[in-house]
Amino acid sequence: AQSVTQLGSHVSVSEGALVLLRCNYSSSVPPYLFWYVQYPNQGLQLLLKYTSAATLVKGINGFEAEFKKSETSFHLTKPSAHMSDAAEYFCAVKGSYKLSFGAGTTVTVRA
Amino acid sequence: DAGITQSPRHKVTETGTPVTLRCHQTENHRYMYWYRQDPGHGLRLIHYSYGVKDTDKGEVSDGYSVSRSKTEDFLLTLESATSSQTSVYFCATSGEGLTDTQYFGPGTRLTVL
Repeated sequence: AQSVTQLGSHVSVSEGALVLLRCNYSSSVPPYLFWYVQYPNQGLQLLLKYTSAATLVKGINGFEAEFKKSETSFHLTKPSAHMSDAAEYFCAVKGSYKLSFGAGTTVTVRA
Repeated sequence: DAGITQSPRHKVTETGTPVTLRCHQTENHRYMYWYRQDPGHGLRLIHYSYGVKDTDKGEVSDGYSVSRSKTEDFLLTLESATSSQTSVYFCATSGEGLTDTQYFGPGTRLTVL
């Protein structure tokens, strides 16, 4: 079975600082990996996805993630945090047309 | 974004009553999903559908049933609601490709008293 683990349930960053959210996966086959963002009282919105075309994936709102097979990781980064990045972020792995989600990481941005 | 609506958006009910949540999509996606979201658990799959009248269980299906009589509608029923089913429920849809994105609806907040 495929699964993901998000390290850190809460991350606090200063405005303008690097955002780094960690995700490790477990999969017996090449994985399809996703990052979603959820703003308060809203549904989930896709940030980016890895589908084996390129290991560095660029998404919306300045986010990117790098697939590292040797480390079984798919960490999400943004060079400079903005107040609007405050949200909950979910990593997910897809198998058999179903997504398995991590527990989520809540990001707060300090002015 | 895929056109996904959920109804109702909020519901308060009492233990033991039946509850039906509706998901409607306008994208003609083959796959539809129901998730529940609880703090510390992320999203967990309840049931999913891979076509009209074709459904299967997810990881937390006990106490829930689903039906899909049309491509655009996917219903989630709690036959006899319990307090442990208090949660936020999300519907999602996706196309047939293995790498297709799942698109999410706005969610339904259900409280069982």
